[in-house]
Amino acid sequence: KAGVTQTPRYLIKTRGQQVTLSCSPISGHRSVSWYQQTPGQGLQFLFEYFSETQRNKGNFPGRFSGRQFSNSRSEMNVSTLELGDSALYLCASTRTSRETQYFGPGTRLLVL
Amino acid sequence: EDQVTQSPEALRLQEGESSSLNCSYTVSGLRGLFWYRQDPGKGPEFLFTLYSAGEEKEKERLKATLTKKESFLHITAPKPEDSATYLCAVPGGSNYKLTFGKGTLLTVNP
Repeated sequence: KAGVTQTPRYLIKTRGQQVTLSCSPISGHRSVSWYQQTPGQGLQFLFEYFSETQRNKGNFPGRFSGRQFSNSRSEMNVSTLELGDSALYLCASTRTSRETQYFGPGTRLLVL
Repeated sequence: EDQVTQSPEALRLQEGESSSLNCSYTVSGLRGLFWYRQDPGKGPEFLFTLYSAGEEKEKERLKATLTKKESFLHITAPKPEDSATYLCAVPGGSNYKLTFGKGTLLTVNP
């Protein structure tokens, strides 16, 4: 069974630009969560989607948004990038929200 | 607000030298505790889920235990390939919003 995939794996952007990251969950998984990982803050929850609906949101500004498609694939978008947005962005999927989350390899975003 | 604290931040062991990692948590109602392993530049890899105090789970050289306030990850006779960051997390709210600890960076020297 294929695991969670994320594209692209690496991105370099400049301040003020926007970026879209993609996540394909494990087949049959309907819940997708996004996390930001930085050396200082560790792993922090961004938001969770289930059946195309955002059900939970972390404490991030509105520049961070996401969506989920009918095939459970998810995208997250960060607008007006700031230097502090440089991080590893991870998505995780579960069959339902009450089961173990399995993580993808992440997208490494560098903002210059 | 859920809180997870891991200690030590870093641990250096010699191959074969057993030790334990600690994860203490504060949650309004425990719905489980997760352990993950993360290698540099990769996503966290699931290890264990524990649901109730007294529960234990084992996998190769790792054993996870859970009490009402903390969890331990015991590493018996570690090998260099066990070197990684070990993360624990608890779910919060009505949906699985995981709150992670900062992790323990384990280095096992040959």
